[in-house]
Amino acid sequence: DIQMTQSPSSLSASVGDRVTITCRASQNIGNYLNWYQQKPGRAPNLLIYAASSLQSGVPSKFSGRGSGTDFNLTINSLQPEDFAAYFCQQTYSSPYTFGQGTNLEI
Amino acid sequence: QVQLQESGPGLLKPSQTLSLTCTVSGGSISSGRHYWSWIRQPAGKGLEWIGHIYSSGTTNYNPSLKSRVTVSLDTSKNQFSLKLSSVTAADTAVYYCARGTRNDYGDTFWDYWGQGTLVTVSS
Repeated sequence: DIQMTQSPSSLSASVGDRVTITCRASQNIGNYLNWYQQKPGRAPNLLIYAASSLQSGVPSKFSGRGSGTDFNLTINSLQPEDFAAYFCQQTYSSPYTFGQGTNLEI
Repeated sequence: QVQLQESGPGLLKPSQTLSLTCTVSGGSISSGRHYWSWIRQPAGKGLEWIGHIYSSGTTNYNPSLKSRVTVSLDTSKNQFSLKLSSVTAADTAVYYCARGTRNDYGDTFWDYWGQGTLVTVSS
């Protein structure tokens, strides 16, 4: 299985900040990388697919970069509703594994 | 707007079989390049892809669960189902059904999710 490692596991930030979350794959996965946001008690919500493509309806404050093994999710101008957990997922090969998550806290 | 809704028992005893159904509205499970999927999340932990079924009926399962998992379609009811046999406490989790999509460029992503249902395995 491809292992996905996110860093940091938790991150404290303030309203208005810009933050970057990193995801590293245990092998080359090309650009087969998705990012999801999950709020407490809710299902994950797709933000970014194919490493850098913004899902329809997702604000442009979210952006993704990377290819191969190293990927980033950047969130600009943090608002209260952005404080949540974020997960990366590889879709290069089955089983489609997720990172352990990053909790973004105020 | 596609919507998915899980249903099924929330409490099981060890060794029983977990059975969940996902009802899809706003779209047909028979059409398109979609993967009708199950994903679970133990409390406070990360997400685990369990498996999925294509509209053709072809399945793909996580090898870690493959010996115990069955995903099936009921096109007449626009539903798909999960069966997980011989459950233990380690199977306690929130179970999500979700729609996977493969676009024209070969990108795959899970774009619609149910709200999730908690399944607890306890004697």
